[in-house]
Amino acid sequence: EIVLTQSPGTLALSPGERATLSCRASQSVVSRYLAWYQQKLGQAPRLLIYGASSRATGIPDRFSGSGSGTDFTLTISRLEPEDSAVYYCQHYGGSPLWTFGQGTKLEIK
Amino acid sequence: EVQLVESGGGLVQPGGSLRLSCAASGFSFKSSEMIWVRQAPGKGLEWVSYINNIGTTLHYTDSVRGRFTTSRDNANNSLYLQMDSLRADDTAVYFCARVGTVVTTEVDYWGQGTLVTVSS
Repeated sequence: EIVLTQSPGTLALSPGERATLSCRASQSVVSRYLAWYQQKLGQAPRLLIYGASSRATGIPDRFSGSGSGTDFTLTISRLEPEDSAVYYCQHYGGSPLWTFGQGTKLEIK
Repeated sequence: EVQLVESGGGLVQPGGSLRLSCAASGFSFKSSEMIWVRQAPGKGLEWVSYINNIGTTLHYTDSVRGRFTTSRDNANNSLYLQMDSLRADDTAVYFCARVGTVVTTEVDYWGQGTLVTVSS
């Protein structure tokens, strides 16, 4: 079973700053199968990044993904108050088929 | 506009059953693979089940296998999750979601979820 560990658990930044969120896999994974989601309070998750680095439809270019092997990063530049949310990485493959990280809570103060 | 609308959640006693429904619109449901994902109160996301576009391939996470059954009705653009032998740790918001069509492993559309509470 592949375990995804996200860090930090909570990140507090100011508008205009850059956020760097980490997702580390317990073993090397296929980058193509790595995605990132944003979940605002009380809402459903929203797909941000798929294939480790491709932005989903309608996602602003302030959001970018990178990484390979076991280490992946979601970067959010020029933070806006609306970016406050919990961010999850996700991998497909193995058992269970879809695995999510535990999430990083981003607070924009 | 893509819409996924879940229904059927509620309060059920341990050992009881519940059937969730998900009404899909705005995309070709009959061509889409679908999954159920749940989120316990204050917790992260957990994949529950998968069904292919014609309902012939099913996969479940270990904790629900043998208790939950996913099915679909392509004629009515509907997805279902039959949940039997419910336990307290099944308490969660249940989301239906579509498996994406680019890499076919991302989850590109999600419903708003329906809350299932298992308690006596």
